[in-house]
Amino acid sequence: GAGVSQTPSNKVTEKGKYVELRCDPISGHTALYWYRQSLGQGPEFLIYFQGTGAADDSGLPNDRFFAVRPEGSVSTLKIQRTERGDSAVYLCASSRDGYEQYFGPGTRLTVT
Amino acid sequence: AQSVTQLDSQVPVFEEAPVELRCNYSSSVSVYLFWYVQYPNQGLQLLLKYLSGSTLVKGINGFEAEFNKSQTSFHLRKPSVHISDTAEYFCAVSDDKGYQKVTFGTGTKLQVIP
Repeated sequence: GAGVSQTPSNKVTEKGKYVELRCDPISGHTALYWYRQSLGQGPEFLIYFQGTGAADDSGLPNDRFFAVRPEGSVSTLKIQRTERGDSAVYLCASSRDGYEQYFGPGTRLTVT
Repeated sequence: AQSVTQLDSQVPVFEEAPVELRCNYSSSVSVYLFWYVQYPNQGLQLLLKYLSGSTLVKGINGFEAEFNKSQTSFHLRKPSVHISDTAEYFCAVSDDKGYQKVTFGTGTKLQVIP
């Protein structure tokens, strides 16, 4: 079956602009996670959804970052007033049983 | 809070030789442990996981790992590597409950030399 998909695969934006990153989880997976992977680092947790609600948003770095999952499937990560330090690969993962997370290919965000 | 340490940022090894990638973790609670692999220009793929039971865990592609609670380690091993194993390997930990966030190490790049 289809895996986790993320769009766009690459996004270049100017400092100060607003961006949206989309994640389509595996069908039937109730849990959805966002991570951020900076160059040379491991993925860093941002936020976790169980269904439509954010069960844990402790990893969001500041209030410029926001994520939604209005119908319990697709999720959008929103970044306001982007900064050069936001440049990274943003990874989405989904899980059916809460033990194994299936990762998407990521969106590479470059803020110029 | 949890943390994961992967001391080796790069490990070169000749084809058909054995390899061990080291991972140590720190946690105040019981944990689940994972190894993920990331091939060039691809997403993360789960190699193996330890949830409970036998401390020796077998994964895909001939990899295995051993959970050592007293040494807080979860080293990854393969008896004979192939060129296709060239990738970056991430050790990760979560609380021993379902649906928890995962904390990753900084990764180890395995370079298999022909």
